[in-house]
Amino acid sequence: SAVISQKPSRDICQRGTSLTIQCQVDSQVTMMFWYRQQPGQSLTLIATANQGSEATYESGFVIDKFPISRPNLTFSTLTVSNMSPEDSSIYLCSVGVAGGFADTQYFGPGTRLTVL
Amino acid sequence: DAKTTQPPSMDCAEGRAANLPCNHSTISGNEYVYWYRQIHSQGPQYIIHGLKNNETNEMASLIITEDRKSSTLILPHATLRDTAVYYCIVREGTGGGSNYKLTFGKGTLLTVNP
Repeated sequence: SAVISQKPSRDICQRGTSLTIQCQVDSQVTMMFWYRQQPGQSLTLIATANQGSEATYESGFVIDKFPISRPNLTFSTLTVSNMSPEDSSIYLCSVGVAGGFADTQYFGPGTRLTVL
Repeated sequence: DAKTTQPPSMDCAEGRAANLPCNHSTISGNEYVYWYRQIHSQGPQYIIHGLKNNETNEMASLIITEDRKSSTLILPHATLRDTAVYYCIVREGTGGGSNYKLTFGKGTLLTVNP
C-alpha cells in the first residue's frame, strides 16, 4: 500500500484566483492520478501524471485550467486556475502500486475546495 | 461510462453480514473486479480485488460467479463504521495509460444500523 497526504486539506477561495494542491506519497510511484468529486457526485478522473512525461488529460479537462506538475516519483501538484464557484469540489490524488497479480490505486484524503 | 450496476442503497444490522451485489455482464477476460468504499467525503479506501477466484482479506471477501458476470462483496460482521458508499469497478489489472484509470459509478450506500 501507500500513505498519501494532501495539502491543503480544505480552502475557501475567491472567484478568479488560483489554488495549487500538493500530493505527497511515502514511496516512489510511477503513476499518479488526479480526480475531482463535485458535490453529491462520484469521482471523475482529471488527468494521469507520470513522472518524466506530460500529464494526460481526460475529455473535458484542459491543461490551462488544471496544470499539473510531477517533478519526482513522490510528489505532484494540481493547480485549479481562474476559479469559479463551479470548481467547488473535493480534489483527490491517487497513486498506482504494482501488486502481486494486479495493480491497485490508493487515494489521498482529498482537498475540499469552496469557491465564492 | 461505468461498466457495473449496483443497487443505490442497502441496509444492514450491526453485527450481521453485509452482502453487496454488483453486476458486470460485459466484463472481458483480462478485467479485474475492484471494490472501494468512501466514508463521507473522505478519500476512497481500497478493499479488495479479484479476477475469477474468490478472494478474502482482513476487510472482506469477494465472491465472483463462475461466468464472471456478477460478484458479491461480503463484510462478515458489519459495524457502524462500515457505513459508506461502496464502489464496484472493473478494470484491466496491469498496464499503464488509459487502461489503468478507475471509472467510478454511483455505488451503493450501505447503512449499518444499530
